[in-house]
Amino acid sequence: GENVEQHPSTLSVQEGDSAVIKCTYSDSASNYFPWYKQELGKRPQLIIDIRSNVGEKKDQRIAVTLNKTAKHFSLHITETQPEDSAVYFCAASSLPTGNQFYFGTGTSLTVIP
Amino acid sequence: GAVVSQHPSWVICKSGTSVKIECRSLDFQATTMFWYRQFPKQSLMLMATSNEGSKATYEQGVEKDKFLINHASLTLSTLTVTSAHPEDSSFYICSARGGWTDTQYFGPGTRLTVL
Repeated sequence: GENVEQHPSTLSVQEGDSAVIKCTYSDSASNYFPWYKQELGKRPQLIIDIRSNVGEKKDQRIAVTLNKTAKHFSLHITETQPEDSAVYFCAASSLPTGNQFYFGTGTSLTVIP
Repeated sequence: GAVVSQHPSWVICKSGTSVKIECRSLDFQATTMFWYRQFPKQSLMLMATSNEGSKATYEQGVEKDKFLINHASLTLSTLTVTSAHPEDSSFYICSARGGWTDTQYFGPGTRLTVL
């Protein structure tokens, strides 16, 4: 089955700096990679996703890059703000045949004002 | 759009009792629903996948007789923790996926505490 690894487990940055979270996956059949943000005690919320036919996707301060050859994808947050502090999870899935999302172990991001 | 609700948001019960958690897709028909368990500061652990009208598919190590899942309609799935014990205390989150989207939308979670 798929194995998703995520690094780092914790990350602290100064407000205004950039944050990068990296994930690797093992199954070359994976073709859909969402990123979720989870604030303490709340539900995970989708913040951005990317499909395997695209190398990069950007939405305002958030961007995701995908390297299919190396089987890794990254989340980039620029101009970080205190409200970006949360746990971020990456996931991989092989749609449409595979229903399951394989989640990374999470990254706890703290943005220091 | 794509709102998923969960009820109750928290529950405290005595050891040996059963607890039912409901997961509803409020504004879409969920072809597939998922049940996760999350321990503090840990990732989401998939327990089972359920499709409407069919039996749930349980992940390895998850006791299907203990965690009963029913996906009776396209908008409702239930998880029943039978004969709950303190080690079942956890945060249970459901998610749902509709036919038009690849992603999963999560419910707000249910905090279960078994005394």
